[in-house]
Amino acid sequence: DAGVTQSPTHLIKTRGQHVTLRCSPISGHKSVSWYQQVLGQGPQFIFQYYEKEERGRGNFPDRFSARQFPNYSSELNVNALLLGDSALYLCASSWDRVLAEAFFGQGTRLTVV
Amino acid sequence: GDSVTQMEGPVTLSEEAFLTINCTYTATGYPSLFWYVQYPGEGLQLLLKATKADDKGSNKGFEATYRKETTSFHLEKGSVQVSDSAVYFCALDTGANSKLTFGKGITLSVRP
Repeated sequence: DAGVTQSPTHLIKTRGQHVTLRCSPISGHKSVSWYQQVLGQGPQFIFQYYEKEERGRGNFPDRFSARQFPNYSSELNVNALLLGDSALYLCASSWDRVLAEAFFGQGTRLTVV
Repeated sequence: GDSVTQMEGPVTLSEEAFLTINCTYTATGYPSLFWYVQYPGEGLQLLLKATKADDKGSNKGFEATYRKETTSFHLEKGSVQVSDSAVYFCALDTGANSKLTFGKGITLSVRP
C-alpha cells in the first residue's frame, strides 16, 4: 500500500510568489492535516480537512489556505511568500478526525529566497 | 493553551546504553500522548502512543507511560542501537481542535 505522498519534494520560490503543495492520503483515509516544520522546531499545525470541510485551523495568516478534493487529496496554498515561510511542510492522513493513527508524508521542503 | 516541553538536546549515547528522553505537557482535559520519530531524510513515524492515564505505550523496545499526576510521558529504551539515531518528538492531542501539538524534538545520536 502506498503511504502518504507529497509533491513536490523540494522547491525554491522567490519572495512574493505563490506556491501550491499537494498531498495524497493513504487510500481510505478521509482526513488530511497540514503542518509546518521550521528547522530545529517541532511541527506546527496549519489546517485539518475532513470530508472536504475545514475542521481545524492553526495560528497562521490568511496567506495560507487549503482545500480537499472529492478523492480526499489536498492542496496547501501560500500567497505572497515571505522568507520566514521557508520550512518543511508535512501532510498527515488519518481515517477520521481522531488523530490516534495519523500517518505522515515525507514532506515538501520549501525554500524562499 | 496546550503545550509540550521536551528536554534540551542533542543526546549522544554509546550503543547498548540506557535511554531516557523527558517529556511533560500542559493541556486541558485528558489528551492522548504520542512519540514520533523522524529518521534522516524521512517523514514522521508514529513510534508509540497512550490514550489514558497509566497506559504504557511500547514499540521496537521503546516504552513510555502516561503519568497524569506528573503530566509526563518520558520515553525509555533499555539498550539503544546505532539505528535508533533520529529526532524524537513528543506530541499530544486533546481531541478538541483536531490537531497534534508537538514539542521541539530532540536529536539522538548513537555511536558504535
